[in-house]
Amino acid sequence: DVKVTQSSRYLVKRTGEKVFLECVQDMDHENMFWYRQDPGLGLRLIYFSYDVKMKEKRDIPEGYSVSREKKERFSLILESASTNQTSMYLCASLPWGREKGQPQHFGDGTRLSIL
Amino acid sequence: AQSVAQPEDQVNVAEGNPLTVKCTYSVSGNPYLFWYVQYPNRGLQFLLKYITGDNLVKGSYGFEAEFNKSQTSFHLKKPSALVSDSALYFCAVRDIMNTGFQKLVFGTGTRLLVSP
Repeated sequence: DVKVTQSSRYLVKRTGEKVFLECVQDMDHENMFWYRQDPGLGLRLIYFSYDVKMKEKRDIPEGYSVSREKKERFSLILESASTNQTSMYLCASLPWGREKGQPQHFGDGTRLSIL
Repeated sequence: AQSVAQPEDQVNVAEGNPLTVKCTYSVSGNPYLFWYVQYPNRGLQFLLKYITGDNLVKGSYGFEAEFNKSQTSFHLKKPSALVSDSALYFCAVRDIMNTGFQKLVFGTGTRLLVSP
Protein backbone atom coordinates (compact mmCIF):
# COMPACT_ATOMS: atom_id res chain seq x y z
CA ASP A 1 0.00 0.00 0.00
CA VAL A 2 1.21 3.49 -0.82
CA LYS A 3 2.52 5.44 2.13
CA VAL A 4 2.99 9.20 2.09
CA THR A 5 4.62 10.46 5.26
CA GLN A 6 4.71 14.06 6.40
CA SER A 7 7.36 14.62 9.02
CA SER A 8 5.34 16.79 11.38
CA ARG A 9 1.67 16.58 12.34
CA TYR A 10 1.67 19.89 14.21
CA LEU A 11 4.07 22.80 13.91
CA VAL A 12 4.16 26.21 15.55
CA LYS A 13 6.46 28.87 14.13
CA ARG A 14 6.93 32.60 14.40
CA THR A 15 6.36 35.30 11.81
CA GLY A 16 9.40 35.79 9.62
CA GLU A 17 10.88 32.34 10.22
CA LYS A 18 11.89 30.08 7.34
CA VAL A 19 9.77 26.94 7.62
CA PHE A 20 10.37 23.54 6.04
CA LEU A 21 7.62 20.96 5.60
CA GLU A 22 8.84 17.53 4.56
CA CYS A 23 7.05 14.79 2.65
CA VAL A 24 8.29 11.33 1.70
CA GLN A 25 6.55 8.68 -0.42
CA ASP A 26 7.58 5.06 -0.72
CA MET A 27 6.11 4.05 -4.08
CA ASP A 28 8.51 5.57 -6.59
CA HIS A 29 5.83 7.97 -7.82
CA GLU A 30 6.95 10.61 -10.27
CA ASN A 31 4.36 13.25 -9.38
CA MET A 32 4.12 14.96 -6.03
CA PHE A 33 1.88 17.79 -4.87
CA TRP A 34 1.59 20.29 -2.04
CA TYR A 35 -1.87 21.60 -1.08
CA ARG A 36 -3.14 23.84 1.62
CA GLN A 37 -6.56 23.23 3.13
CA ASP A 38 -8.65 26.01 4.62
CA PRO A 39 -12.25 25.85 5.85
CA GLY A 40 -14.73 26.77 3.15
CA LEU A 41 -12.04 26.80 0.46
CA GLY A 42 -11.31 23.11 0.10
CA LEU A 43 -7.85 22.14 -1.10
CA ARG A 44 -5.77 24.52 -3.18
CA LEU A 45 -2.70 23.40 -5.07
CA ILE A 46 0.48 25.29 -4.19
CA TYR A 47 3.19 23.47 -6.14
CA PHE A 48 3.56 20.40 -8.24
CA SER A 49 6.63 18.35 -9.14
CA TYR A 50 6.74 15.81 -11.96
CA ASP A 51 10.28 14.55 -11.43
CA VAL A 52 13.48 15.16 -9.52
CA LYS A 53 14.42 18.86 -9.63
CA MET A 54 11.34 19.60 -11.75
CA LYS A 55 8.60 21.80 -10.33
CA GLU A 56 5.70 23.97 -11.37
CA LYS A 57 3.98 26.81 -9.63
CA ARG A 58 0.27 26.26 -9.47
CA ASP A 59 -2.68 28.11 -7.98
CA ILE A 60 -1.26 29.88 -4.91
CA PRO A 61 2.56 29.80 -4.98
CA GLU A 62 3.22 33.25 -3.51
CA GLY A 63 5.32 33.02 -0.36
CA TYR A 64 6.25 29.40 -0.97
CA SER A 65 8.98 27.46 -2.72
CA VAL A 66 9.72 23.75 -3.07
CA SER A 67 12.63 21.39 -3.34
CA ARG A 68 12.81 17.94 -4.90
CA GLU A 69 16.36 16.65 -4.77
CA LYS A 70 15.34 12.99 -4.53
CA LYS A 71 12.40 11.26 -6.13
CA GLU A 72 10.84 10.19 -2.86
CA ARG A 73 11.09 13.52 -1.06
CA PHE A 74 9.25 16.77 -1.74
CA SER A 75 9.75 19.73 0.59
CA LEU A 76 7.63 22.83 0.92
CA ILE A 77 9.42 25.96 2.10
CA LEU A 78 7.85 29.07 3.56
CA GLU A 79 10.53 31.64 2.86
CA SER A 80 9.37 34.10 5.53
CA ALA A 81 6.35 32.79 7.38
CA SER A 82 3.34 35.05 7.81
CA THR A 83 0.19 34.63 9.84
CA ASN A 84 -1.93 34.14 6.70
CA GLN A 85 0.01 30.95 6.06
CA THR A 86 -1.52 29.33 9.12
CA SER A 87 -3.25 26.33 7.60
CA MET A 88 -3.33 22.58 7.12
CA TYR A 89 -0.78 21.46 4.53
CA LEU A 90 -1.26 18.20 2.65
CA CYS A 91 1.23 16.36 0.49
CA ALA A 92 0.15 13.88 -2.20
CA SER A 93 1.77 11.59 -4.75
CA LEU A 94 0.67 10.06 -8.03
CA PRO A 95 2.28 7.65 -10.49
CA TRP A 96 2.73 9.08 -13.94
CA GLY A 97 1.35 7.61 -17.12
CA ARG A 98 0.60 4.12 -15.88
CA GLU A 99 -3.17 4.39 -15.70
CA LYS A 100 -5.60 7.14 -16.42
CA GLY A 101 -7.62 8.18 -13.44
CA GLN A 102 -5.24 6.93 -10.77
CA PRO A 103 -6.13 8.47 -7.40
CA GLN A 104 -3.68 10.67 -5.59
CA HIS A 105 -2.36 9.33 -2.28
CA PHE A 106 -2.25 11.77 0.61
CA GLY A 107 -0.21 12.14 3.76
CA ASP A 108 -1.85 12.86 7.11
CA GLY A 109 -1.14 16.56 6.86
CA THR A 110 0.79 19.14 8.85
CA ARG A 111 -1.22 21.64 10.82
CA LEU A 112 0.95 24.75 10.82
CA SER A 113 0.37 27.74 13.07
CA ILE A 114 2.27 30.97 12.52
CA LEU A 115 2.29 33.26 15.55
CA ALA B 1 -11.36 24.96 -16.48
CA GLN B 2 -12.84 21.96 -14.76
CA SER B 3 -14.68 22.50 -11.49
CA VAL B 4 -16.87 20.77 -8.96
CA ALA B 5 -19.40 22.19 -6.52
CA GLN B 6 -20.58 20.76 -3.24
CA PRO B 7 -23.73 22.72 -2.42
CA GLU B 8 -24.05 21.59 1.20
CA ASP B 9 -21.58 22.57 3.90
CA GLN B 10 -23.05 19.97 6.24
CA VAL B 11 -25.33 16.96 6.02
CA ASN B 12 -26.97 15.47 9.10
CA VAL B 13 -28.36 11.95 9.11
CA ALA B 14 -29.40 9.43 11.74
CA GLU B 15 -27.53 6.16 12.02
CA GLY B 16 -29.13 3.46 9.90
CA ASN B 17 -30.68 5.92 7.46
CA PRO B 18 -29.47 6.33 3.88
CA LEU B 19 -27.15 9.22 3.19
CA THR B 20 -26.42 11.35 0.14
CA VAL B 21 -23.62 13.89 -0.25
CA LYS B 22 -24.08 15.99 -3.37
CA CYS B 23 -21.58 16.99 -6.02
CA THR B 24 -22.06 18.66 -9.39
CA TYR B 25 -19.37 19.15 -11.98
CA SER B 26 -18.52 21.42 -14.86
CA VAL B 27 -16.07 20.02 -17.39
CA SER B 28 -15.17 20.09 -21.03
CA GLY B 29 -14.96 16.57 -22.36
CA ASN B 30 -15.46 13.40 -20.36
CA PRO B 31 -15.08 13.82 -16.62
CA TYR B 32 -12.83 11.81 -14.33
CA LEU B 33 -14.49 12.19 -10.91
CA PHE B 34 -13.35 11.20 -7.45
CA TRP B 35 -14.60 11.11 -3.89
CA TYR B 36 -12.27 11.39 -0.90
CA VAL B 37 -12.96 11.27 2.84
CA GLN B 38 -11.05 13.04 5.59
CA TYR B 39 -11.31 11.93 9.20
CA PRO B 40 -10.33 14.41 11.95
CA ASN B 41 -6.66 15.34 11.89
CA ARG B 42 -5.93 12.98 9.02
CA GLY B 43 -5.18 13.28 5.33
CA LEU B 44 -7.56 12.45 2.52
CA GLN B 45 -8.45 8.85 1.79
CA PHE B 46 -9.62 7.76 -1.64
CA LEU B 47 -13.16 6.31 -1.68
CA LEU B 48 -14.06 5.78 -5.32
CA LYS B 49 -13.78 7.12 -8.84
CA TYR B 50 -15.71 7.33 -12.08
CA ILE B 51 -13.77 7.12 -15.34
CA THR B 52 -16.13 5.41 -17.73
CA GLY B 53 -18.61 2.55 -17.79
CA ASP B 54 -21.39 1.89 -15.30
CA ASN B 55 -23.01 4.97 -13.87
CA LEU B 56 -23.12 3.40 -10.40
CA VAL B 57 -19.65 3.12 -8.93
CA LYS B 58 -18.93 1.13 -5.79
CA GLY B 59 -16.12 2.07 -3.44
CA SER B 60 -14.66 1.58 0.00
CA TYR B 61 -16.57 1.28 3.29
CA GLY B 62 -19.89 0.54 1.56
CA PHE B 63 -20.04 3.85 -0.29
CA GLU B 64 -21.21 4.21 -3.86
CA ALA B 65 -21.69 7.11 -6.24
CA GLU B 66 -24.04 7.70 -9.10
CA PHE B 67 -22.79 9.46 -12.20
CA ASN B 68 -25.54 11.37 -13.99
CA LYS B 69 -24.44 13.01 -17.21
CA SER B 70 -27.67 14.87 -17.91
CA GLN B 71 -27.65 16.47 -14.46
CA THR B 72 -23.83 16.78 -14.36
CA SER B 73 -23.87 15.23 -10.92
CA PHE B 74 -21.82 12.65 -9.04
CA HIS B 75 -23.57 12.17 -5.70
CA LEU B 76 -22.07 9.99 -2.99
CA LYS B 77 -24.45 7.55 -1.33
CA LYS B 78 -24.62 4.87 1.32
CA PRO B 79 -27.70 2.78 2.09
CA SER B 80 -27.23 2.74 5.86
CA ALA B 81 -25.12 5.36 7.65
CA LEU B 82 -22.80 4.59 10.56
CA VAL B 83 -21.68 6.99 13.28
CA SER B 84 -18.13 6.23 12.15
CA ASP B 85 -18.95 7.70 8.71
CA SER B 86 -18.92 11.16 10.29
CA ALA B 87 -16.16 12.99 8.46
CA LEU B 88 -15.41 15.60 5.81
CA TYR B 89 -16.08 14.50 2.24
CA PHE B 90 -14.51 15.99 -0.86
CA CYS B 91 -15.54 15.63 -4.47
CA ALA B 92 -12.82 16.19 -7.08
CA VAL B 93 -12.41 16.26 -10.85
CA ARG B 94 -9.29 15.63 -12.88
CA ASP B 95 -7.96 18.61 -14.80
CA ILE B 96 -5.13 18.72 -17.29
CA MET B 97 -2.60 21.51 -16.67
CA ASN B 98 -1.25 23.58 -19.53
CA THR B 99 1.94 21.50 -19.38
CA GLY B 100 -0.01 18.30 -20.00
CA PHE B 101 0.20 16.95 -16.46
CA GLN B 102 -2.91 16.13 -14.51
CA LYS B 103 -4.10 17.58 -11.25
CA LEU B 104 -7.23 17.34 -9.12
CA VAL B 105 -9.64 20.21 -8.58
CA PHE B 106 -11.49 19.84 -5.29
CA GLY B 107 -14.84 21.00 -4.04
CA THR B 108 -15.11 22.90 -0.78
CA GLY B 109 -16.07 19.81 1.18
CA THR B 110 -19.21 18.60 2.96
CA ARG B 111 -19.19 17.67 6.61
CA LEU B 112 -21.26 14.58 7.32
CA LEU B 113 -22.59 14.14 10.85
CA VAL B 114 -24.23 10.82 11.68
CA SER B 115 -26.11 10.84 14.96
CA PRO B 116 -26.63 7.68 17.05
